[in-house]
Amino acid sequence: NAGVTQTPKFQVLKTGQSMTLQCAQDMNHNSMYWYRQDPGMGLRLIYYSASEGTTDKGEVPNGYNVSRLNKREFSLRLESAAPSQTSVYFCASSAGGVGSNQPQHFGDGTRLSIL
Amino acid sequence: AQSVTQPDIHITVSEGASLELRCNYSYGATPYLFWYVQSPGQGLQLLLKYFSGDTLVQGIKGFEAEFKRSQSSFNLRKPSVHWSDAAEYFCAVGPVGTYKYIFGTGTRLKVLA
Repeated sequence: NAGVTQTPKFQVLKTGQSMTLQCAQDMNHNSMYWYRQDPGMGLRLIYYSASEGTTDKGEVPNGYNVSRLNKREFSLRLESAAPSQTSVYFCASSAGGVGSNQPQHFGDGTRLSIL
Repeated sequence: AQSVTQPDIHITVSEGASLELRCNYSYGATPYLFWYVQSPGQGLQLLLKYFSGDTLVQGIKGFEAEFKRSQSSFNLRKPSVHWSDAAEYFCAVGPVGTYKYIFGTGTRLKVLA
């Protein structure tokens, strides 16, 4: 079982460059999420998608955009990378739904450094 | 506002010793609660979850957690720690509202041989 797959695993960018982080899940989940993880701050939600065709902002959406391409794929784009966006990015998915008790399943992360 | 607090940033235990990691939550109703483990360079793996019913839940890798409503706590325990348990542990509550999950800041466990 692949679960949640993130690409790339590592990336180094220069300030001002753009890039897209890819995420795909094969569990037929409705909900997908993007988090960033920084030391001592736990996981902070950037954006989420409750279902195909919908996206919503999380705690820290500034500087990011997302696309829910289809039920499987949810991408995160940095239009003009800044050093403050150096982080580890995790994609997650969940069967979701209002009042759902389903946990999230996580990818292995993308380690992004911006110089 | 809903929140999750893990008071211990770092914990060190000797191999074979017992372990308890603390988690306190603030939530308006009975929450769904989760513990995840993150090994270095990996994503988060679900250890166990609580929805309702028996307040003592069993998880993978020999972990268990107890839900105490009166204390708003969901502490993770293991009777005998193995060196391979060294990792970071996250408590989470959700979904909050409809789809959001709230995570604690994590507790990093070090195991001494």
